Amino acid sequence: AQSVTQPDIHITVSEGASLELRCNYSYGATPYLFWYVQSPGQGLQLLLKYFSGDTLVQGIKGFEAEFKRSQSSFNLRKPSVHWSDAAEYFCAVKLTGGGNKLTFGTGTQLKVEL
Amino acid sequence: GAVVSQHPSRVICKSGTSVKIECRSLDFQATTMFWYRQFPKQSLMLMATSNEGSKATYEQGVEKDKFLINHASLTLSTLTVTSAHPEDSSFYICSALRMDTQYFGPGTRLTVL
Repeated sequence: AQSVTQPDIHITVSEGASLELRCNYSYGATPYLFWYVQSPGQGLQLLLKYFSGDTLVQGIKGFEAEFKRSQSSFNLRKPSVHWSDAAEYFCAVKLTGGGNKLTFGTGTQLKVEL
Repeated sequence: GAVVSQHPSRVICKSGTSVKIECRSLDFQATTMFWYRQFPKQSLMLMATSNEGSKATYEQGVEKDKFLINHASLTLSTLTVTSAHPEDSSFYICSALRMDTQYFGPGTRLTVL
């Protein structure tokens, strides 16, 4: 079955430390890939997306993600985390040519220690 | 660009009443919008796909008669929760599709007493 996996439910990092959030998908072809962030009681904000081309994509707020076809992964990274980055992060995929629905991962809750 | 608003942000109603939630794309036209429901500390659950000028497409297990969706214009979709009950209390989020990307509204917290 097609799925999106975010293996880490919770992650805690110190402010200023680097961050990597993992995302793996299982689809037959390369889907469109997204990372969204959700602050408590808020909607989702698009951080970045990958459709094709350069496999390292830059997003807002200093985030980047790298698509690795061989690993079916699209991990989110940030070199230096700020306390305001504490939030829930969702990876999502959309099948190319398969409609517009998104399949979401279960999310990773990021806590930042000062 | 790609701003989506929702109104109201928070609503409390009595059991048995109906509640309407609006979703608007403010700076772009969206022929397709989506409605999600999110339970505490969980991911988003797609309820339905709203297409401008046509009937919404509901996901399996979502009651069409309970969650009425209307997409009457290219910038507005509405979700009406009819005869709401406490189990309908939840966080409802809409999104609007623009060039293969969904942009989300800020969500509506519904509490049914």
